Amino acid sequence: GENVEQHPSTLSVQEGDSAVIKCTYSDSASNYFPWYKQELGKRPQLIIDIRSNVGEKKDQRIAVTLNKTAKHFSLHITETQPEDSAVYFCAASTSGTYKYIFGTGTRLKVLA
Amino acid sequence: GAGVSQSPSNKVTEKGKDVELRCDPISGHTALYWYRQSLGQGLEFLIYFQGNSAPDKSGLPSDRFSAERTGGSVSTLTIQRTQQEDSAVYLCASSSDGNTEAFFGQGTRLTVV
Repeated sequence: GENVEQHPSTLSVQEGDSAVIKCTYSDSASNYFPWYKQELGKRPQLIIDIRSNVGEKKDQRIAVTLNKTAKHFSLHITETQPEDSAVYFCAASTSGTYKYIFGTGTRLKVLA
Repeated sequence: GAGVSQSPSNKVTEKGKDVELRCDPISGHTALYWYRQSLGQGLEFLIYFQGNSAPDKSGLPSDRFSAERTGGSVSTLTIQRTQQEDSAVYLCASSSDGNTEAFFGQGTRLTVV
């Protein structure tokens, strides 16, 4: 079945620096890759997603890149702010099965 | 409703008892997921419902776990003969048709004592 690996498990950056979180997936048929942010004690919420027909997508300070050949996708956060501190999860899903498989999460700490 | 609703928010139960966790998805969403999140850990897939298709139960950890979805809407996750290792937050999510944004409920925190 699908497996999603996520790195790093923890990441500390200085405020204003960039943060990059990387994921790899195993099922070459996966075609939808969302990223969720979970603040402490709250539910996960979608922050950005990308489909397999697109290589990159940006939304203000957040961007996601996808390399289908290597089965890698990454989340990039620029100009980090303290409110970016949270746990971030990547996921992969496949048309037909639609089963979201999540990565193990990255705890991001933005140091003021 | 406006979002995915789960009940109860918290449940403390004695080891060996059965529990039922409820999920009310967003109206019209055909896809419904259950995940388990242990303290500080990731989102472990449990089960997935899509419309009238047979559910994908491949993530259920043991035969003590089961789930139903009645009328394509409300879902109930049942854990029989609870064990201490079942203690976790159980999250439900729904999406309009799968392969799109999944909206999560606030979760049910289960504590087995």
